[in-house]
Amino acid sequence: AQSVTQPDIHITVSEGASLELRCNYSYGATPYLFWYVQSPGQGLQLLLKYFSGDTLVQGIKGFEAEFKRSQSSFNLRKPSVHWSDAAEYFCAVGAQRGGSQGNLIFGKGTKLSVKP
Amino acid sequence: SQTIHQWPATLVQPVGSPLSLECTVEGTSNPNLYWYRQAAGRGLQLLFYSVGIGQISSEVPQNLSASRPQDRQFILSSKKLLLSDSGFYLCAWSGVRENEQFFGPGTRLTVL
Repeated sequence: AQSVTQPDIHITVSEGASLELRCNYSYGATPYLFWYVQSPGQGLQLLLKYFSGDTLVQGIKGFEAEFKRSQSSFNLRKPSVHWSDAAEYFCAVGAQRGGSQGNLIFGKGTKLSVKP
Repeated sequence: SQTIHQWPATLVQPVGSPLSLECTVEGTSNPNLYWYRQAAGRGLQLLFYSVGIGQISSEVPQNLSASRPQDRQFILSSKKLLLSDSGFYLCAWSGVRENEQFFGPGTRLTVL
């Protein structure tokens, strides 16, 4: 079955520290992979995506993620966290084609807290 | 550029009352449209998606229904709300070829 696992429900890091949020997926075909961020009471904003090519993708707000096919992982990283990064982060996987097959499967999210 | 709107932003309704949430997209044609519900600590649950006018697919059997009366309008409805319908409802759109989804600001529904 297709699924996305974000093993960490809640992570707390100090401001300025590095961050890695884990995401593992189970998907039968070559996946499209996404990371979204959600601030409290807001919609989801796309941070970055992987479709093909270079397995290290750069996103907005200084985030990057690396696709590791052998590990079925797509972990999100940031070298230095800012207080404004406190939010909930969602990993998602989907088919390469759009249309009726374009549905995304989301993980349950990781809530990030940032200590001053 | 494309934008997506949801209305209302917040809603408090009594049990048994009807519901209508609206989502509209601007700046694109023939988008795929999605309704999600987000309950606390439970991630996003896909409720409905639509690939065209009048075409609705339901992912989860429930008290809700969806309609797409126009190309860029997606409506989530209920005839009688239940307490369990409370949550944060998100609308999203994607292009026909790509499944990168863009989300609206959401509607917070509280059923009392």
